[in-house]
Amino acid sequence: KAGVTQTPRYLIKTRGQQVTLSCSPISGHRSVSWYQQTPGQGLQFLFEYFSETQRNKGNFPGRFSGRQFSNSRSEMNVSTLELGDSALYLCASSQADTQYFGPGTRLTVL
Amino acid sequence: GESVGLHLPTLSVQEGDNSIINCAYSNSASDYFIWYKQESGKGPQFIIDIRSNMDKRQGQRVTVLLNKTVKHLSLQIAATQPGDSAVYFCAENGGVGGGSNYKLTFGKGTLLTVNP
Repeated sequence: KAGVTQTPRYLIKTRGQQVTLSCSPISGHRSVSWYQQTPGQGLQFLFEYFSETQRNKGNFPGRFSGRQFSNSRSEMNVSTLELGDSALYLCASSQADTQYFGPGTRLTVL
Repeated sequence: GESVGLHLPTLSVQEGDNSIINCAYSNSASDYFIWYKQESGKGPQFIIDIRSNMDKRQGQRVTVLLNKTVKHLSLQIAATQPGDSAVYFCAENGGVGGGSNYKLTFGKGTLLTVNP
């Protein structure tokens, strides 16, 4: 099976813009989670979707949002970008217990 | 709040030695723990997991030990190889209902460097 894929791999934006990141889970996986990774804060949970419903949510402001489609693919959106949003955004999918991560999208906000 | 943390930020070992990476957790209700390995430029890779009804689990060259009394988790890597050099994270699943309801809380990570 193909692994979790994320697009784009790299992205450069300026403050105030918005961005949409995409994640395609492993075939058959219905749970998709998103994480933000920064040197200072490490890996932090953003949200998890299952069957198009947000099932778990982390402690991020409302500028961070997501959605899941009927084919389990997921997108996350960040509006009004801030310099501190520069990070590696990771998507992970799971079918049962094991969570598999994609390579991430490296977002740089200038 | 509840957190999962690592004792040592860096660990340097010689090739062929055994490595031990430690992790402390604070949520006594945690019932599922995972170790991940992250190489530069890649996403975290699943290594091994353990449930709270176990105190030891073995994989290929890796062993995870869980001590619920002191809320401590460790990852042992036997015969460490240069390819094991990476950042290692422990994580706790705090999602609603457990199981596949994922809301992982990660430790800060330990950088393992294997010297040839």
